[in-house]
Amino acid sequence: SQQGEEDPQALSIQEGENATMNCSYKTSINNLQWYRQNSGRGLVHLILIRSNEREKHSGRLRVTLDTSKKSSSLLITASRAADTASYFCATMPRLGSQGNLIFGKGTKLSVKP
Amino acid sequence: KAGVTQTPRYLIKTRGQQVTLSCSPISGHRSVSWYQQTPGQGLQFLFEYFSETQRNKGNFPGRFSGRQFSNSRSEMNVSTLELGDSALYLCASSHSGGANEQFFGPGTRLTVL
Repeated sequence: SQQGEEDPQALSIQEGENATMNCSYKTSINNLQWYRQNSGRGLVHLILIRSNEREKHSGRLRVTLDTSKKSSSLLITASRAADTASYFCATMPRLGSQGNLIFGKGTKLSVKP
Repeated sequence: KAGVTQTPRYLIKTRGQQVTLSCSPISGHRSVSWYQQTPGQGLQFLFEYFSETQRNKGNFPGRFSGRQFSNSRSEMNVSTLELGDSALYLCASSHSGGANEQFFGPGTRLTVL
């Protein structure tokens, strides 16, 4: 079953704008990770945030985590056409996951030049 | 360091046949996980191998099996193929498993006719 649900399912913006994607999950987690997937290819790890962290930055990426609301957001600032991809959140639940990541269905981001 | 490699990249089979997919992890990584990605179900965890032992298993029928060799290379096998097995099969490697960043291969696109 899906643990994370991304919102929106699809997002279309102009180059230079910021893109915000949200992820909600159901159970307590050890950590939450964001991945990017270019069309039909493998996933690329973007950032990992632990359950005791509230915010993390990496370049143009900013991730927040609110464990009380069981939600996370990924902000991409000053987007570029090359950011066009699908973005997935993946959670490592504390219990019941058997140690594997559980992925949401993703947000498809389109950045128009 | 070389990334995760998967072979073959594309495969076309007919119903009832069986298929074997291969994954070579990043050197030094002992954990290999397999995922199935379809438009309808998204990314679903198949199984994880660590030091030649299956450590975790997802909710897939027994037609899906795997193994890991002493050099950490892994194979997955699907017997008696069904149309619904058409998917992108991704493997991911990490030092110790899902709680850490996972490095994905480019995937094998399986089409069952």
